[in-house]
Amino acid sequence: DAKTTQPPSMDCAEGRAANLPCNHSTISGNEYVYWYRQIHSQGPQYIIHGLKNNETNEMASLIITEDRKSSTLILPHATLRDTAVYYCIVRVNAGGTSYGKLTFGQGTILTVHP
Amino acid sequence: NAGVTQTPKFRVLKTGQSMTLLCAQDMNHEYMYWYRQDPGMGLRLIHYSVGEGTTAKGEVPDGYNVSRLKKQNFLLGLESAAPSQTSVYFCASRPHRDGGTDTQYFGPGTRLTVL
Repeated sequence: DAKTTQPPSMDCAEGRAANLPCNHSTISGNEYVYWYRQIHSQGPQYIIHGLKNNETNEMASLIITEDRKSSTLILPHATLRDTAVYYCIVRVNAGGTSYGKLTFGQGTILTVHP
Repeated sequence: NAGVTQTPKFRVLKTGQSMTLLCAQDMNHEYMYWYRQDPGMGLRLIHYSVGEGTTAKGEVPDGYNVSRLKKQNFLLGLESAAPSQTSVYFCASRPHRDGGTDTQYFGPGTRLTVL
């Protein structure tokens, strides 16, 4: 699976959009970009994933650059409850030899302040 | 639908003691995983299972054993606990979909301290 690079920490004001970047310059054509987050003392939670196109769900939006070497997770209206560690993970589609294994890096600590 | 549950939530062991962590899921998922997370670090895969009766080693399998006798349960065993196994253990499950993407669903974790 391709390696990802994320800033170690970011701050965001409550009610504003939080934009979390991720660099995955070695991504290959069959690898997806996944985002998970981990709120303190809880298990990781799936947020969103994408391959080429931008994606949106009830939690967030995912913007993937045209060359797919980087992406941005957008939380449109951050709340205090969005304070968490956000992990960007790149991996091949499950069903191959990876067996869906998720490789978690250090992630980005997002702090949302009032 | 409880999702993924883990038992116990907390445990303190002495070096050399044994214990079993239980993970249960009620989503009929084929795949199950055990991860450990040490302070300030990401999760590392210990063992995983692609179906009932099958298990495989992950990144850090030493000192652990697993069993998947029933599809809904995945057990993680420590035969002789060591202080280095002090960690938070997370279980996860996901469905199997040929040719499709999927996501993993995590339990709340078990905090284990080995003295």
